[in-house]
Amino acid sequence: AQSVTQPDIHITVSEGASLELRCNYSYGATPYLFWYVQSPGQGLQLLLKYFSGDTLVQGIKGFEAEFKRSQSSFNLRKPSVHWSDAAEYFCAVGALGNNDMRFGAGTRLTVKP
Amino acid sequence: EAGVVQSPRYKIIEKKQPVAFWCNPISGHNTLYWYLQNLGQGPELLIRYENEEAVDDSQLPKDRFSAERLKGVDSTLKIQPAELGDSAVYLCASSPGSNPYEQYFGPGTRLTVT
Repeated sequence: AQSVTQPDIHITVSEGASLELRCNYSYGATPYLFWYVQSPGQGLQLLLKYFSGDTLVQGIKGFEAEFKRSQSSFNLRKPSVHWSDAAEYFCAVGALGNNDMRFGAGTRLTVKP
Repeated sequence: EAGVVQSPRYKIIEKKQPVAFWCNPISGHNTLYWYLQNLGQGPELLIRYENEEAVDDSQLPKDRFSAERLKGVDSTLKIQPAELGDSAVYLCASSPGSNPYEQYFGPGTRLTVT
């Protein structure tokens, strides 16, 4: 079965600084990979997804992620963080023919003014 | 287009009491999911419905949890009796049959068992 590790529980960045959130997955075949964001008291919102093709994926709100098969990683990036980006971010992995998505434990992002 | 609706948003009950959560998915979405989210953790699937059929309930603790999706639209998740360890957020999500990975989440129900 697939699994996801988000090594960073909490990250603090200054507004305007760049951001990278790490995600490592474990799955024997080609995974389907996702990043979700969850603001306090809200459900999860899909930021972007990777199924196949170009390994650099663009998402909403200026986020992008890069699939690196050799490193089993799917890190989320944003060049300039806004205060409204403060939230919890979850990486998830799915598999072809299997609707079972596994989520990481999340990374909480704090944005300093 | 309305999103996934869940109610109540918050619920506080004493242990051993029953509790029920309701979910209304996005119109036209055949697939409905119930997830459990413990504090500081990602969501974990409890049960998945395709229309009115529960196609994956392997993670649902069936001794105290039950779910139904009558008519393949709304769904109810019940816990009876609740235990202290059930305190968590219960998330409902739905997806169109054409794309099971396009999951849309509701705001969740935060349950506190005292």
